[in-house]
Amino acid sequence: ETGVTQTPRHLVMGMTNKKSLKCEQHLGHNAMYWYKQSAKKPLELMFVYNFKEQTENNSVPSRFSPECPNSSHLFLHLHTLQPEDSALYLCASSQDGPPMGGEAFFGQGTRLTVV
Amino acid sequence: GQQVMQIPQYQHVQEGEDFTTYCNSSTTLSNIQWYKQRPGGHPVFLIQLVKSGEVKKQKRLTFQFGEAKKNSSLHITATQTTDVGTYFCAGQGGGTSYGKLTFGQGTILTVHP
Repeated sequence: ETGVTQTPRHLVMGMTNKKSLKCEQHLGHNAMYWYKQSAKKPLELMFVYNFKEQTENNSVPSRFSPECPNSSHLFLHLHTLQPEDSALYLCASSQDGPPMGGEAFFGQGTRLTVV
Repeated sequence: GQQVMQIPQYQHVQEGEDFTTYCNSSTTLSNIQWYKQRPGGHPVFLIQLVKSGEVKKQKRLTFQFGEAKKNSSLHITATQTTDVGTYFCAGQGGGTSYGKLTFGQGTILTVHP
């Protein structure tokens, strides 16, 4: 148990569906992140939130919409996805956001399949 | 932008053999972190190196940070089947990439008993 919990663990959705991924951290950290992990690719940073404020958006398509209502919760809203968006989506948190950063604690991820 | 290259992409070893993975950054780093991801699991933090030329050991694992703070290595002595997984380096940028954490592609280690 890493202190970062992601739900659901697995998700299959059609291209016209709308779904949300949830992440919760119990570590008292100030920064939270969404990463995408595809086969044979490095971990791709999608979004960074520091003290609930979005500080980084790495040119992510608008069909991915993050939401951070407080420092402990992070959502990723999905709509009209494409099959190439199928991947493992990992949430992480760290004590501080960039530039301090520090050790990242990852959740177990949501395995997303878009059909 | 900042790029972190990691080699090799795959490594197969017999149990008891040594293993090394290398990480190179296109820019000078403020620090580098190493993570391990077991098959079907999520990345787990192993260590962070901050100082130029730093060497840290964790049992059979030895981590090095280059003098120029642009490269790093992870060496495992006498591998065991429990070492299987993907090892990632993640460089935290300096200069214009200050603070940004960029992951390498990872090295997938297979240990044959």
